[in-house]
Amino acid sequence: QQQVKQSPQSLIVQKGGIPIINCAYENTAFDYFPWYQQFPGKGPALLIAIRPDVSEKKEGRFTISFNKSAKQFSLHIMDSQPGDSATYFCAAGKGGYKLSFGAGTTVTVRA
Amino acid sequence: DVKVTQSSRYLVKRTGEKVFLECVQDMDHENMFWYRQDPGLGLRLIYFSYDVKMKEKGDIPEGYSVSREKKERFSLILESASTNQTSMYLCASSPRWHRNYGYTFGSGTRLTVV
Repeated sequence: QQQVKQSPQSLIVQKGGIPIINCAYENTAFDYFPWYQQFPGKGPALLIAIRPDVSEKKEGRFTISFNKSAKQFSLHIMDSQPGDSATYFCAAGKGGYKLSFGAGTTVTVRA
Repeated sequence: DVKVTQSSRYLVKRTGEKVFLECVQDMDHENMFWYRQDPGLGLRLIYFSYDVKMKEKGDIPEGYSVSREKKERFSLILESASTNQTSMYLCASSPRWHRNYGYTFGSGTRLTVV
């Protein structure tokens, strides 16, 4: 069973829109919540990450919102661009070495 | 440029064959991982190694084995390939402990079993 549940499986937005991807977890021992971005033909690469003592983190046009009590976190892509079209994975980690990944969301940004 | 290299980009094998997928990293990382990526299922951990000759089962180890004889190389072995092992396989490495986990992924090997 997946330890991190991710939705939706795919979404399409127009350029400038704000795709939102949601993830939920059960294990309160998780202490690190990264998002990975994967382009076709490439391996996933770290995009942005948050820890449970913070409710929001922004890096450029990417924002993570974190709700510790609900055990949920989400990725928002502000002013999305066609170059943001990729597959996004949320993940959760504990112990400093092993990550559990969500099912992935394919985001398509139409010009 | 540090990297994780997977020896094959595409592989086609026959049912019942023994298949070796190779992964090499040049970052002197202690941890190495094999994941399987399938649509709708995301990245699922097959095996994990935290040191030479050490291994730990992941979430879906059935039908797979691994070998780590040298720190930089981690091999995934399909003892008798089956069609349900057709998938994208991703290797990753990371330092023994890293505050941000420090995962670096390879570009993947797409395996088709016919």
